[in-house]
Amino acid sequence: EVQLLESGGGLVQPGGSLTLSCAASGFSFSSHAMSWVRQAPEKGLEWVSSISGSGYTTYYAGSVKGRFTISRDNSDNTLYLQMNSLRAEDTAVYYCAEVPGESGSYPHFDYWGQGTLVTVSS
Amino acid sequence: QSVLTQPPSASGTPGQRVTISCSGSSSNIGSNYVYWYQQLPRTAPKLLIYRDIQRPSGVPDRFSGSKSGTSASLAISGLRSEDEADYYCAAWDDSLSHVVFGGGTKLTVL
Repeated sequence: EVQLLESGGGLVQPGGSLTLSCAASGFSFSSHAMSWVRQAPEKGLEWVSSISGSGYTTYYAGSVKGRFTISRDNSDNTLYLQMNSLRAEDTAVYYCAEVPGESGSYPHFDYWGQGTLVTVSS
Repeated sequence: QSVLTQPPSASGTPGQRVTISCSGSSSNIGSNYVYWYQQLPRTAPKLLIYRDIQRPSGVPDRFSGSKSGTSASLAISGLRSEDEADYYCAAWDDSLSHVVFGGGTKLTVL
């Protein structure tokens, strides 16, 4: 059974940093691209970032490029999102999602985690 | 302002057929596959349609996808109360080099 478990969310001040983690199990982690998708309160889905199975290729939304860094540890089956220079508009539930293929260049998200809430406020 | 345009709301009565549209451009829907997600209240999204028309195992055949040019549609036939949810389309955008979502459509079953 595929399981994705996010952690690391919480309250952070504007300008601060936070690192989200997503522990994966039930599939061959290194063979699958992974993504982060967020949802601000009462808003729609917004794709944030994707990373290929090998970790060599990454993609970012314009709104987070230069501030967020996606990475993965295939030896530990864990996906990360390092978030710096956080802004109020980054407040959202962050979901990690599994892609059924090595490439991250398409929005085919088979499995989703339960999400972790990030609140950016002073 | 989302790159993919969906109507904010749709509605229907039980048993009816409803369609939700998703309008894009040549750099996204016009040249890449479309994916549809269902999000029930207070839950994570669920993949409903992939590669324009394919249904994952477990998704009822009441749900179907179609695409023509730079627009796509999700059709739900035999509408049921449990279909009341938010629906999102998504695609890769070649110009932006990233994934784009529609703004979402809230489906109400009257």
